[in-house]
Amino acid sequence: SQQGEEDPQALSIQEGENATMNCSYKTSINNLQWYRQNSGRGLVHLILIRSNEREKHSGRLRVTLDTSKKSSSLLITASRAADTASYFCATDPISGGYQKVTFGTGTKLQVIP
Amino acid sequence: EAGVTQFPSHSVIEKGQTVTLRCDPISGHDNLYWYRRVMGKEIKFLLHFVKESKQDESGMPNNRFLAERTGGTYSTLKVQPAELEDSGVYFCASSQVGTGANVLTFGAGSRLTVL
Repeated sequence: SQQGEEDPQALSIQEGENATMNCSYKTSINNLQWYRQNSGRGLVHLILIRSNEREKHSGRLRVTLDTSKKSSSLLITASRAADTASYFCATDPISGGYQKVTFGTGTKLQVIP
Repeated sequence: EAGVTQFPSHSVIEKGQTVTLRCDPISGHDNLYWYRRVMGKEIKFLLHFVKESKQDESGMPNNRFLAERTGGTYSTLKVQPAELEDSGVYFCASSQVGTGANVLTFGAGSRLTVL
């Protein structure tokens, strides 16, 4: 089955609110990444957290990683209408040097102005 | 630096026809990946090249799909003959090998519609 299962599948919030998305995965990883996809465009890398890190910040983004539970969360603070997009977590598994990155189903975020 | 380029952006074909999708990765990126997203579902891994070699093609649906990467530069993904269930958006991504953190740069995708 696919690595990286995000929940919720869809999320609708008002501008200014915070949005939290969760990701669960199955195998041991080197790192976990979050990507954003705007409609009709390719995925854009947002943030990467390594397996030995527990929390990371980048601007309005905050990512946590719990390797014991094989889960991660992405928090977007003070959301804006421009944050409307699908968000995917991606895992880079431990594989002896081979780098296969797998994605999940994504969370579709709608930020209402 | 030019990004990852995919062509065509949209292709509409009849069932049974052939389509070839092309991906030009970022220059110097030895890793090249193909993914597919069908009807808003998961982004499914298809295959991974390292230079011109297929590292992993475990995600290729069946032998109607053929991917090549001549000379380790651009890659093509051919679907022959196309079936209805092949419709979806095909993404290509590239990255550098051995940088420790495998951050992918994606193209805008090729939307395939099979009628």
